[in-house]
Amino acid sequence: QQQVKQSPQSLIVQKGGISIINCAYENTAFDYFPWYQQFPGKGPALLIAIRPDVSEKKEGRFTISFNKSAKQFSLHIMDSQPGDSATYFCAASKEGASGSRLTFGEGTQLTVNP
Amino acid sequence: GAVVSQHPSRVICKSGTSVKIECRSLDFQATTMFWYRQFPKQSLMLMATSNEGSKATYEQGVEKDKFLINHASLTLSTLTVTSAHPEDSSFYICSASPSNSPLHFGNGTRLTVT
Repeated sequence: QQQVKQSPQSLIVQKGGISIINCAYENTAFDYFPWYQQFPGKGPALLIAIRPDVSEKKEGRFTISFNKSAKQFSLHIMDSQPGDSATYFCAASKEGASGSRLTFGEGTQLTVNP
Repeated sequence: GAVVSQHPSRVICKSGTSVKIECRSLDFQATTMFWYRQFPKQSLMLMATSNEGSKATYEQGVEKDKFLINHASLTLSTLTVTSAHPEDSSFYICSASPSNSPLHFGNGTRLTVT
């Protein structure tokens, strides 16, 4: 059972453009939604995370939008750069961030062309 | 920030042998660590939750006798792949977090079974 669905599978944008990745979840008990960035051969690195009590969170060029009623959340990367080319995973967990089992989406391979 | 270290980063072994992978929390104590497996171009799949001083909790479909987990101290968890077969070749990643903090991931171990 895939509890977190992510789209698109791959995404190509031009330098300076906006990259948008979407996720949808099923389990209403989820209360923590992080996004991870993974480069080839490396472990995932936390980018930004949100809790369902807010609808948007921004950190630098990265913004999470959260729609609790639709059970959807998305990552927006503004002014995308070639260095942003990586695989992005959304995730969800219950009972907050610490020590919780994360359920990952399928991942999005982002390519930013110079 | 919290650092999770894995060793080795790469290992090649022959079929039938066992391989041990170490996961350490370098600057914090972790009563719980998580072990994930990732096949090429796929998402991270949780294998088991490692609990300090007690037995690990395995996800459905993961053979506990094949993937032995030992969490002997608050900074070290080990995953031993016993009687490895080529289909066990994968990228194994551990994660842990300090109290009330997001999960941090190690840089993974690429296992190749020949």
